[in-house]
Amino acid sequence: QVQLVESGGGLVKPGGSLRLSCAASGFMFRDYYMSWIRQAPGKGLEWVSYISSTGTNISYADSVKGRFTISRDNAKNSLYLQMNSLRAEDTAMYYCARHIVVGLLDYWGQGTLVTVSS
Amino acid sequence: DIQMTQSPSTLSASVGDRVTITCRASQSFNNWLAWYQQKPGKAPKLLIYKASSLQSGVPSRFSGSGSGTEFTLTISSLQPDDFATYYCQQYNSYPGTFGQGTKLEI
Repeated sequence: QVQLVESGGGLVKPGGSLRLSCAASGFMFRDYYMSWIRQAPGKGLEWVSYISSTGTNISYADSVKGRFTISRDNAKNSLYLQMNSLRAEDTAMYYCARHIVVGLLDYWGQGTLVTVSS
Repeated sequence: DIQMTQSPSTLSASVGDRVTITCRASQSFNNWLAWYQQKPGKAPKLLIYKASSLQSGVPSRFSGSGSGTEFTLTISSLQPDDFATYYCQQYNSYPGTFGQGTKLEI
């Protein structure tokens, strides 16, 4: 069955960095677009970034552009999000999700919590 | 970006009720509209795609309709498991923007 397992979250000071990982299993990872979506505590869903199946097509929300970098390793069935220059407003649960078609998210991981605080 | 606005933000209902949640878009688009259900502490779950197509395994009491700029999610007879927060999402264009959510409470 399809599984997405995020890791790498934690407590970090403003200006710090974190690298999130998402381990995929149960499907042909290399065939699918993937995204990171976040949810601040008590708030709604915000798309953060997506990456095409080969990694050649990438996009970011304006709120993270220039600070976050999405990448993938199809040989390792893994998706990553490098987060630099973190701000308090980046505090959120970060989910990785699979696109069944472009934009439509059919499987989500359980999330990893990122807290940015001094 | 296409903005999505849901109403109401909170909906109080009882088991057995029929409820409808509305999602309005800032501009018209083809029916690339999805609905997700999220329970506390859990990831969102895809319920409906292409405005009215039921995702595999989702109970038939859930249905979606609409076109253009107005879409609805209807639950025909609420079950205890349905009390959750519901989000619409357009995936007509990147980024696939979400509505702000509708919390369905007892």
